[in-house]
Amino acid sequence: GEDVEQSLFLSVREGDSSVINCTYTDSSSTYLYWYKQEPGAGLQLLTYIFSNMDMKQDQRLTVLLNKKDKHLSLRIADTQTGDSAIYFCAEKDTGRRALTFGSGTRLQVQP
Amino acid sequence: SAVISQKPSRDICQRGTSLTIQCQVDSQVTMMFWYRQQPGQSLTLIATANQGSEATYESGFVIDKFPISRPNLTFSTLTVSNMSPEDSSIYLCSVELAGTDTQYFGPGTRLTVL
Repeated sequence: GEDVEQSLFLSVREGDSSVINCTYTDSSSTYLYWYKQEPGAGLQLLTYIFSNMDMKQDQRLTVLLNKKDKHLSLRIADTQTGDSAIYFCAEKDTGRRALTFGSGTRLQVQP
Repeated sequence: SAVISQKPSRDICQRGTSLTIQCQVDSQVTMMFWYRQQPGQSLTLIATANQGSEATYESGFVIDKFPISRPNLTFSTLTVSNMSPEDSSIYLCSVELAGTDTQYFGPGTRLTVL
């Protein structure tokens, strides 16, 4: 079955860039997503990328996709304390259309 | 995007009872899903809610324990039956908007079973 993996924790200083990485195994992934979850809250869709793209930029967020290596990253420029949260990557395959989630990366931003 | 509401937002229930969670969305959607997020864990798909027919369950989840209804395009319910403390989780519905490939999540229902 599909598997999505992320590192569990990342700590950065305010103003620095954060890079959160994700790997997946499903070759038939069509879309890959990044969600943000703040404590006690639901999931907020941040951005997503179609599998035939290799980069997408949206304000402070840059998504890079290496389809050959099945590697996805989310770069947050000028990281702020309000960016502290858990970030989940997720992939959708053509058949099922539901999402398979990674374990989540807890981003801690230090002032 | 879409506005997705879930009721209740949280509940504390006794072992052996059942709880029905409602999910309502304000836009036309194609797909509706139910996920579970156990404490400190990631999200696991319970089932795909199909309009007017039986839900499609993932391995490890069965209809008797998690009956799901979806009477129309924008509303679904998930029941957690005969609850035990192991069912303590956040239950989230998600929707895929019509004409898009984006999936949005409701705010979740935080369930504690004593």
